[in-house]
Order: sequence, then C-alpha cells, then structure tokens
Amino acid sequence: QVQLVQSEVEVRKPGDSVKVSCKASGYTFLSYDIAWVRQAPGGGMEWMGWISAYNGHAKYADKFHDRIRMTRDTSTNIAFMELRGLTSDDTGVYFCAREGSPNHWYYDLWGRGTLVTVSS
Amino acid sequence: QSVLTQPASVSGSPGQSITISCTGTTSDVGTYNYVSWYQQYPGKAPKLLIFEVTHRPSGISDRFSASKSGNTASLTISGLRPEDEGDYYCTSYTSRLTLVFGGGTKLTV
Repeated sequence: QVQLVQSEVEVRKPGDSVKVSCKASGYTFLSYDIAWVRQAPGGGMEWMGWISAYNGHAKYADKFHDRIRMTRDTSTNIAFMELRGLTSDDTGVYFCAREGSPNHWYYDLWGRGTLVTVSS
Repeated sequence: QSVLTQPASVSGSPGQSITISCTGTTSDVGTYNYVSWYQQYPGKAPKLLIFEVTHRPSGISDRFSASKSGNTASLTISGLRPEDEGDYYCTSYTSRLTLVFGGGTKLTV
C-alpha cells in the first residue's frame, strides 16, 4: 500500500525542538522528493521546504531557514523534519508529502499529519 | 513568504458551477506553469486535484477543471455535489525556488 505514515502527536515546551518522522512504503523511496507543509490552527497552509530522498539535498523556506533541518534515512525509508527554538506560533499540524514528479512542484501523496503542540 | 490570494469563501447549490480564483504575481503564478490545487476536508490531509495548471491526476473527476490567465489561476467545479464541500488551496512554484500556498477557500454547497 502506497502511503506515508507520520507520528501522531508531539507535545513540547517553548524553546524545545521537535523531530517529526514520515515513513514511506509501497513505492521506491529514492525516486521521490519529500516536502513538509505546516497548517496553523486557523487553517492556513505553509510550505516549509523539501528534501531529495535520493541525495539528501534540502531547500528550506526563508521563514524557517535558521532553525529547520530535513534529513532522511534510506535504510528505513523515513524522512525527518526537525524544528528548533519552538514557540507557541509553531503549534499546528505538520504534513509530509511526496512530490509527484521531480521539480514539478505538486504533491500526490500526503501523510495524515503530526499535531505539534507547543505549550508551557 | 507571500501568500497567493484566494476568496475566503464561495458557495453554490447542487448542480451549479463555481470558480475559485488564485491571484499571485509575476514571480509565481504569472511566470510558472507549476500551479496546483488541493481539496481538504476538516481533520484530513490535502488531496491533489490539479497539477501543472490544468492536469488532473488519475481518479479525479472531470467536474474539476482549471486554467490560468496572467497572474491569476482558477479552479472550476461543475455539477456541484454535497461532497465537494470543504477547503480548497492553490499553490505555485516561485522565482525564489520555493512553493507558496493560497490562503484557502471554504466551499459551501
């Protein structure tokens, strides 16, 4: 079954870091890039960046550039997104998504999302 | 990061057609044909409806169509059904080598 499975819930305090996982199955992991998208409680969607599953190259949105890191483990087909220096504004649902075709900037497969709550 | 402009809400009756606009700039929608549309139900992941301005993935109904003119892309849903009710987002590749989302449109049927 072609799917992306994410951890469900993460709770952190302000200043902490969070590392969200996204396990791919049912397709050739190395052939598709993975993006991360955040959805705030109000509903707005925000692109955070992407990582090449093939070579690990990553590109981040300017807003997160200094506190985000995307990695992948090709032995387990898992992509990770780590966000540091959390504030309450980082509370939201974090989705991983597969790019349907390299450099074509659309996402044809999504994880169910990881709810990250930042609260003291 | 700029946000593409979508109407906050649109509504229509079953069987009617509606169009959702998505306005960007020459740095995104106006220059690149990497515009996509997604449908999202509450508490669910987005679902790809349209990619590369006009293309439908397999399995997406031909009731969904899209186009682009200048800096504005549009999604049209014809023959509205109750199950079309949800949130719709557009995206575009940008000259900064990033992706930008629209603010989202809530469709009420």
